[in-house]
Amino acid sequence: EDKVVQSPLSLVVHEGDTVTLNCSYEVTNFRSLLWYKQEKKAPTFLFMLTSSGIEKKSGRLSSILDKKELFSILNITATQTGDSAVYLCAPMNRDDKIIFGKGTRLHILP
Amino acid sequence: NAGVTQTPKFQVLKTGQSMTLQCAQDMNHEYMSWYRQDPGMGLRLIHYSVGAGITDQGEVPNGYNVSRSTTEDFPLRLLSAAPSQTSVYFCASREDRTSNNSPLHFGNGTRLTVT
Repeated sequence: EDKVVQSPLSLVVHEGDTVTLNCSYEVTNFRSLLWYKQEKKAPTFLFMLTSSGIEKKSGRLSSILDKKELFSILNITATQTGDSAVYLCAPMNRDDKIIFGKGTRLHILP
Repeated sequence: NAGVTQTPKFQVLKTGQSMTLQCAQDMNHEYMSWYRQDPGMGLRLIHYSVGAGITDQGEVPNGYNVSRSTTEDFPLRLLSAAPSQTSVYFCASREDRTSNNSPLHFGNGTRLTVT
C-alpha cells in the first residue's frame, strides 16, 4: 500500500528562523512529488520535483528530492508570519495517482 | 478563465439522502480528481480520471460514485449519505499527463455536513 509520512506534524518557530519540513514516501511506480501550501482554503502549488538532487527554488522556499532514499525536504529561510500554513507533500505514480501526506502545520511567531 | 469550479460551496444533508457535488474545469485538462479533507488527515483521494470515459478508485472510494462523460465535468455522487461523509471535498485537475511540469489545480471546496 502506498504511504506518505510527513514530519514534524506541527512546528512553531519565531520569525526569521529557518525550517526544514520532511516528506518520506513509499509509492509503487513513483514519478514525481508535489509540494503545496494550504492556508484557509484550497491548497496552492509550490513545487513539482521529478529528478533527484536538483534543487528547486522560489524566493525563500526551496525543495529537493532524493529518489534513492525516498524522501523530499522543503526549506523555508527567514520565515515570516505569512508562511504560517499547513504544508502538504504529494507523490504521484506513473498511473497519475496522487496521494497526500497529513501535512506539517507550521506556525510562525512574530 | 474560471479554473476549477465546485458547486455548491456548502451543503447539509440528512442521513440516507443522495446528492451530487459538481466539478467543472474550463482549462481542457485531461486529469481530474476528488479528495476529501478531514481535520488532521491531509487530503485523501476518492476517485480520479485520466480522461473522458475513464475513472479509477483512489484511497477511500466506498460510498462515492463518479463518471466522466466530458472532459470538462467530473461529478461526485453520494448515493446514501452517512455522517462519516461529513468533510470538505476538493476537486482538482491537471493539464497534461505526460508533463513533469503540470501540477494539480484545486477548486475552492465544498463543505458537506451529514446529520
